[in-house]
Amino acid sequence: KQEVTQIPAALSVPEGENLVLNCSFTDSAIYNLQWFRQDPGKGLTSLLLIQSSQREQTSGRLNASLDKSSGRSTLYIAASQPGDSATYLCAVRNQAGNMLTFGGGTRLMVKP
Amino acid sequence: DAGITQSPRYKITETGRQVTLMCHQTWSHSYMFWYRQDLGHGLRLIYYSAAADITDKGEVSDGYVVSRSKTENFPLTLESATRSQTSVYFCASSLYLTGGGDGYTFGSGTRLTVV
Repeated sequence: KQEVTQIPAALSVPEGENLVLNCSFTDSAIYNLQWFRQDPGKGLTSLLLIQSSQREQTSGRLNASLDKSSGRSTLYIAASQPGDSATYLCAVRNQAGNMLTFGGGTRLMVKP
Repeated sequence: DAGITQSPRYKITETGRQVTLMCHQTWSHSYMFWYRQDLGHGLRLIYYSAAADITDKGEVSDGYVVSRSKTENFPLTLESATRSQTSVYFCASSLYLTGGGDGYTFGSGTRLTVV
């Protein structure tokens, strides 16, 4: 059974810092990995989608990498801003069962 | 407005009552999903559907029923609500099941409280 772990569970940084969020998964047989952002009381907003054949994806200040063989992905946020404060979730789409498995999330707080 | 919409946003119901959560998408995505989100458990799949009239169970399907008579709608019914079904429910859709496309797109959620 696929297990997805996100470290750290919570992170507080001053504005302007570059930061890295980590996601690891136990079964490398995946189709893709997706990073989401969730604001309190809101739904999930897709940030980046990386296919299993890709190594990284970039969108603005966000860069996500994928190392499928080692079961790891990182989300890099450059020059963090208070508006980046949210919970970040990673999810893998498993080849077995075709379901998304989510990590527990990293709760990010960027202080002005 | 195009997208995926859920209704109601908030619902309080009594134990034993039947309640239906609605989900509507305007993209004609083939695949639709229902998840619940709980503290300590994260997001868990309840049911998914590959097309109209094709549905399958997820990880936590007991006590739930779904239907999909039209591609755009995927209602979730709690047949006899229990307090353990108090949760935030998210509907999602995807063009493709096996990767490609835009991945999953989620609705804004329904916060259900069973008293």
